[in-house]
Amino acid sequence: EAQVTQNPRYLITVTGKKLTVTCSQNMNHEYMSWYRQDPGLGLRQIYYSMNVEVTDKGDVPEGYKVSRKEKRNFPLILESPSPNQTSLYFCASSLSVGPAGEQYFGPGTRLTVT
Amino acid sequence: AQKITQTQPGMFVQEKEAVTLDCTYDTSDPSYGLFWYKQPSSGEMIFLIYQGSYDQQNATEGRYSLNFQKARKSANLVISASQLGDSAMYFCAMKGGSQGNLIFGKGTKLSVKP
Repeated sequence: EAQVTQNPRYLITVTGKKLTVTCSQNMNHEYMSWYRQDPGLGLRQIYYSMNVEVTDKGDVPEGYKVSRKEKRNFPLILESPSPNQTSLYFCASSLSVGPAGEQYFGPGTRLTVT
Repeated sequence: AQKITQTQPGMFVQEKEAVTLDCTYDTSDPSYGLFWYKQPSSGEMIFLIYQGSYDQQNATEGRYSLNFQKARKSANLVISASQLGDSAMYFCAMKGGSQGNLIFGKGTKLSVKP
């Protein structure tokens, strides 16, 4: 089954404790992206990757890191989480960068930083 | 800059009736894609329908249709014969430019009444 998987689905952590949210897709997609969703703000892009070893900042990259060492994986790293990073996070992938073609979303990771 | 506007924070519709969710967009790109996603209370993002900027006909997918008016820069979602399971948040999104990301509106919460 074609899908995007994320782990963990739920995470409660404390300020400053490094964490990684994994993302993997099995569709051989070139493009992968991370979004965060906050009430009243919709979804905003954090980082994206157009291919292996190619990553770039989205609209809200501060406090986050990513890597793309393999085509299928795109982990999101919070080196020193803060309470303002409490949010619902989505990983997404699509076949290409172009305007056509949907982005497939993972199930989401609900992160709480205390 | 690209922008999506959804002016209806919340809407009610009677079961079995049709409902239109509004979406207007702004972009200077000649080539772009418009998408609608559904987010039920469980949190996942479900792709509903896609419209390309050069498509001559309005997109349809089962009970969903997209009323695309290019000159007015609107891409309204029409749900026919509403069902209780249609109660959810609905997001309009646009994809264009070189970054490949989806720009989301803030969403409309649809509630279907029995």
